[in-house]
Amino acid sequence: KTQVEQSPQSLVVRQGENCVLQCNYSVTPDNHLRWFKQDTGKGLVSLTVLVHENDKTSNGRYSATLDKDAKHSTLHITATLLDDTATYICVVGLGNYQLIWGSGTKLIIKP
Amino acid sequence: DPKIIQKPKYLVAVTGSEKILICEQYLGHNAMYWYRQSAKKPLEFMFSYSYQKLMDNQTASSRFQPQSSKKNHLDLQITALKPDDSATYFCASSQDPGGAETLYFGSGTRLTVL
Repeated sequence: KTQVEQSPQSLVVRQGENCVLQCNYSVTPDNHLRWFKQDTGKGLVSLTVLVHENDKTSNGRYSATLDKDAKHSTLHITATLLDDTATYICVVGLGNYQLIWGSGTKLIIKP
Repeated sequence: DPKIIQKPKYLVAVTGSEKILICEQYLGHNAMYWYRQSAKKPLEFMFSYSYQKLMDNQTASSRFQPQSSKKNHLDLQITALKPDDSATYFCASSQDPGGAETLYFGSGTRLTVL
C-alpha cells in the first residue's frame, strides 16, 4: 500500500490562477512533512517543512498546511507562473534519517 | 553556483561493471545522503552519513557502498551493475542529521546500465 498518496496525479492550470495540491499519508511516526519542487530532469528544491500538529507555513507564493490528526497536508500556489511547471512531491519524515516520498503531482502551467 | 556537485551528470555502463558516483557539497553541512529515483517511481532513501559515519543503510544489496574520504564528500560505488540499477541517483545534504533540517539536493547522476 502506498504510504504517501498525492492528488491529483497531474494538474493543468492557466497562468495567474491558484491551485491546491493534496497529500494524504499513513506513515507513523510523522515527525514532519516536507514539500519539494522537482523540475524535469533537475534536482529537488525544498519549499517548506511542517513540523507541528496544525502547522501552517508560507514561502512567497507557496503556502502549506499540515493536519497530523487527519494525516493530511495541502500545498497552495497562488498567482501561478509558467516557471511553476514542475512535479511537486510530498515527503513524510520519520524523525530519524528516513523520508517516505510520494510520487508527486505533475503541475503544468499554461499561458 | 551549485553548492552540491554530482559527477557525472550522465553515465552509461555495461552489466557487470563497476562505477563510482561522485558527490561534493560546499555548504559546510555535517550530514549527507544518497537517494535513488527509478523511472516513474518515488525517490527511495539509500544511505545517510553524519560526520563521515554511516548512520542508516536502507539498501538491501552490498553492491552499493558509500565512501566518504572527506566530510564534504560522499561518493557511491556500485559494483556488478545490473540493468535494474538504472535510475537517477541524487545526493543531498543537511546542516545536521535527522529531524526537520532543510535538505539540499544535487542535480543527480542519471545511470543507464545496458
